[in-house]
Amino acid sequence: GNSVTQMEGPVTLSEEAFLTINCTYTATGYPSLFWYVQYPGEGLQLLLKATKADDKGSNKGFEATYRKETTSFHLEKGSVQVSDSAVYFCALSPNAGGTSYGKLTFGQGTILTVHP
Amino acid sequence: DTGVSQNPRHKITKRGQNVTFRCDPISEHNRLYWYRQTLGQGPEFLTYFQNEAQLEKSRLLSDRFSAERPKGSFSTLEIQRTEQGDSAMYLCASSPRTGRFGNTIYFGEGSWLTVV
Repeated sequence: GNSVTQMEGPVTLSEEAFLTINCTYTATGYPSLFWYVQYPGEGLQLLLKATKADDKGSNKGFEATYRKETTSFHLEKGSVQVSDSAVYFCALSPNAGGTSYGKLTFGQGTILTVHP
Repeated sequence: DTGVSQNPRHKITKRGQNVTFRCDPISEHNRLYWYRQTLGQGPEFLTYFQNEAQLEKSRLLSDRFSAERPKGSFSTLEIQRTEQGDSAMYLCASSPRTGRFGNTIYFGEGSWLTVV
């Protein structure tokens, strides 16, 4: 079956530091890949997505590239801010147009804390 | 606000009682999903609807759980004879029909359930 593995957390950084959160996946076919962010007490917000190999998703300074050869979708940001403190989830969807689209498989989440 | 709306946001109930959560998806989104998230974990898929048809149910959805979407608009998730293990956040999400714009799933803020 499908699975997503995120790096062990939590991650603690100082403001303006470089961020990498690793994500690898196992899936058949060509899944779509997502990063979601969850702020305390809130639901999930889509941060970025990529639907095919070598696509780069980007938003709010965050980037992730869909690497099929390494089955990875690592999240990066060049300079984090205190406001980026949240839980980050990597997720995959079986395919972009099939009937199972939206049946997301999530990683366990990575807690990011950014200090001033 | 045109996002996915869930209520109640918080529910505390005694073991053995029934609870019902409601989800109003984004207007014109014909797909609706329910997920469950326990503390420290990523969300887990429960079920999804396309219009009023329930197309898939996870084995996590025991017989005590029932979801409906009677007119293809809002949905309800009912848990009968609640158990302490049901304590979790129940997330609803929606997406448009698959296609060029159909590959983003939008989540609500979730409904927290505490069974005491």
